[in-house]
Amino acid sequence: QVQLQQWGAGLLKPSETLSLTCAVYGGSFSGYYWSWIRQPPGKGLEWIGEINHSGSTNYNPSLKSRVTISVDTSKNQFSLKLSSVTAADTAVYYCARGRITMVRGVIRPLSAFDIWGQGTMVTVSS
Amino acid sequence: AIRITQSPSSLSASTGDRVTITCRASQGISSYLAWYQQKPGKAPKLLIYAASTLQSGVPSRFSGSGSGTDFTLTISCLQSEDFATYYCQQYYSYPGVFGQGTKLEIK
Repeated sequence: QVQLQQWGAGLLKPSETLSLTCAVYGGSFSGYYWSWIRQPPGKGLEWIGEINHSGSTNYNPSLKSRVTISVDTSKNQFSLKLSSVTAADTAVYYCARGRITMVRGVIRPLSAFDIWGQGTMVTVSS
Repeated sequence: AIRITQSPSSLSASTGDRVTITCRASQGISSYLAWYQQKPGKAPKLLIYAASTLQSGVPSRFSGSGSGTDFTLTISCLQSEDFATYYCQQYYSYPGVFGQGTKLEIK
């Protein structure tokens, strides 16, 4: 039973850097793409970006200039950093696993998300 | 970027009803569409992927159909635990955009 457990600071001031980590327990880390997704209070879901075990990343263009996603395969963990935060970055942040989708024998990045972390509420306020 | 239009934004129904939620993509996305259910304070739960494939453990009263630009999620015979918010998501191309959500409420 694969589980994702995430943690990080929940209260930030404007211009600070958001930092969250997600650990994968009970299953394979390699072979999957691992994503960060956020949800502002009362609003919908926004995909932030993804990484695989090799460190290959893809980011949402709307956030790309401020986002870094990294991986630590020795710990089966991946992390999110979002710089220069503002109140607009206030949201619940989720980590999630992308289902393996094979296309002509190659794992396709960007997929449906079948396992999610519990979510971390991050508030940006002065 | 591909735009996803989900409708309706809210829906009132009774237990035992059959309901349909629609997502329309601004361009063809083949069958690269997923549906999620989210309850208050919880992470979304994957219901359907590849437009019509039921995720393991999801009740068979949930079904999905469509390809190209038009997709539907149907819940036949609503149960009390089905009242929640539903989202679609395209994963044909970056970024993986979600629909705006449909809040399914008890009539």
